[in-house]
Amino acid sequence: GQQVMQIPQYQHVQEGEDFTTYCNSSTTLSNIQWYKQRPGGHPVFLIQLVKSGEVKKQKRLTFQFGEAKKNSSLHITATQTTDVGTYFCAAYALNFGKGTSLLVTP
Amino acid sequence: DAGVTQSPTHLIKTRGQQVTLRCSPKSGHDTVSWYQQALGQGPQFIFQYYEEEERQRGNFPDRFSGHQFPNYSSELNVNALLLGDSALYLCASSPTGGTGNTIYFGEGSWLTVV
Repeated sequence: GQQVMQIPQYQHVQEGEDFTTYCNSSTTLSNIQWYKQRPGGHPVFLIQLVKSGEVKKQKRLTFQFGEAKKNSSLHITATQTTDVGTYFCAAYALNFGKGTSLLVTP
Repeated sequence: DAGVTQSPTHLIKTRGQQVTLRCSPKSGHDTVSWYQQALGQGPQFIFQYYEEEERQRGNFPDRFSGHQFPNYSSELNVNALLLGDSALYLCASSPTGGTGNTIYFGEGSWLTVV
């Protein structure tokens, strides 16, 4: 399978600071998906990236797919307490990374 | 429009027992996937059903089996339960094909094996 690794495992920021999580694969990915899971909740689909070098934005969230389609990133600008949760990347919705848990302190 | 619904929400079983978990997909979705999520881990893909057939399978033993019904609902069966099977079991549905489409997760079934 197309295994994906995520870093960092945890991130603690002050509200208003930026946050970035990275997703890496040793093989070329056909697509990458990002999900958010709130504590005690279930994963919620955020976005899918398909094209090499693709950049997509959703309000304060910016998603990038690397040129070689082996890595991806999620960047949140000016974090808010509502951003708390674990962010997962997944290759083809089958192989999920272990996630990055984000804690935002007011 | 109901989303993905799963039942039961919580259950406790004893080692060696068998369990059946149920999932009703979102309206209009015909592809159902099952995942196991242990505490602090990402969801692990178990298998996917489309047109009542198992289309893809992850790295799980034969103790894990499933079924999809004509109305697209699905069941996950786990036999000979082990302590390590304790996890959140997530069902996800998607439209035809199940790839390249937004998938919707249910709230999951928490299974504790004692």
